[in-house]
Amino acid sequence: GAVVSQHPSRVICKSGTSVKIECRSLDFQATTMFWYRQFPKQSLMLMATSNEGSKATYEQGVEKDKFLINHASLTLSTLTVTSAHPEDSSFYICSAVVPKRYGYTFGSGTRLTVV
Amino acid sequence: DQQVKQNSPSLSVQEGRISILNCDYTNSMFDYFLWYKKYPAEGPTFLISISSIKDKNEDGRFTVFLNKSAKHLSLHIVPSQPGDSAVYFCAASAPGNTPLVFGKGTRLSVIA
Repeated sequence: GAVVSQHPSRVICKSGTSVKIECRSLDFQATTMFWYRQFPKQSLMLMATSNEGSKATYEQGVEKDKFLINHASLTLSTLTVTSAHPEDSSFYICSAVVPKRYGYTFGSGTRLTVV
Repeated sequence: DQQVKQNSPSLSVQEGRISILNCDYTNSMFDYFLWYKKYPAEGPTFLISISSIKDKNEDGRFTVFLNKSAKHLSLHIVPSQPGDSAVYFCAASAPGNTPLVFGKGTRLSVIA
């Protein structure tokens, strides 16, 4: 139980285009979803926290107009990288808090390459 | 300012021996600590966790020790197996629906 499905697993896009990454909680309701980014050989860095039905909270240094987060339902959160640049190439991972059980579950990640 | 630190970027251990991965933290609000195993281009896989009210938690070959006064935790894997080779991340969280804070990871190589 407590599975988060993340799609796509890999995407290559051209500079200037937008890419949407989806995370769905399959068997529980995720009121809170966290979005992380990992650069090669680096830690997972928190980008933003999204709560269902409200605006996301972004970490310092993360552009909210560039990384659009939508958490319109209890089972779906999306991250859209707008006007992507090569420096946005990274590994993006979502994570949800599993209610009634103090634990976190992660999506399988999305490898974004901007060319 | 790194709140969770894994000072060893890599560790090499012989098969059958014990692997000890270390983690230090600075935020005294952290009350829950987790270890994850991660392969490239995959999400982290949960291994074991410990609450701040405990000082030890064991699950099969994995044991996590917590020393609150030193703000230090460690993951012991015994016996180590080649399949354990991966990057291990230490993570911590404060009370409530707060995000995990990760260390930079330690790459473990178990040599047959």
